[in-house]
Amino acid sequence: SFELTQPPSVSVSPGQTVNITCSGDNLGDYYAAWYQQRPGQSPLMVIYQDNKRPSGIPGRFSGSNSGNTATLTISGTQALDEADYYCQAWDSSTVWVFGGGTKLTVL
Amino acid sequence: QLQLQESGPGLVKASETLSLNCNVSGASIDSSSYFWGWIRQPPGKGLEWIGNVFYSGNTNYKSSLKSRVTISVDTSKNQFSLKLKSVTAADTAVYYCTRGSGDFHTWGQGTLVIVSS
Repeated sequence: SFELTQPPSVSVSPGQTVNITCSGDNLGDYYAAWYQQRPGQSPLMVIYQDNKRPSGIPGRFSGSNSGNTATLTISGTQALDEADYYCQAWDSSTVWVFGGGTKLTVL
Repeated sequence: QLQLQESGPGLVKASETLSLNCNVSGASIDSSSYFWGWIRQPPGKGLEWIGNVFYSGNTNYKSSLKSRVTISVDTSKNQFSLKLKSVTAADTAVYYCTRGSGDFHTWGQGTLVIVSS
């Protein structure tokens, strides 16, 4: 079955750039999306179709997807970016999958 | 503006059927451009896709839940529903309804369902 793997946690200093990875077999052959979830809130899509930002999402969020790895990059990280981040993909057998999530800490 | 709102019992007894509705406002549910989905999140854990339904009624379910899940659309009420039968404590989670097109653009606020023994 299709599985996505994320690091459990990542930390970054304010103002720095952080990359959160998501790995899966031939993930680059599918579209990846990323969701931000702050405590007690619903997930919010921050990247879709690998590198597109929904309306209202700041330009410091960007994404890429190639080979077996999709990456969410946050540039100029702010304290309010501290949250859990989930990757998601949809494979050809019409199965939707989420990664296990990465807790981003802004130190 | 599209809004999704989950509703249903917050407490379900083990072995019974969990039933939730998602009311859709700000858009018609009979759009061919999107699917309507359910995703859940056990307390303190990650997101788990349950299944999707298209306006046509076609569905896709997570394989491990397929034998217990039914997702359906009611176009007359502009809502869709989730039924999960034979629940256990492992089904305790926040349940989210969503709209998507490959990914999940819009989410409801979520509703906590606790399965009691």
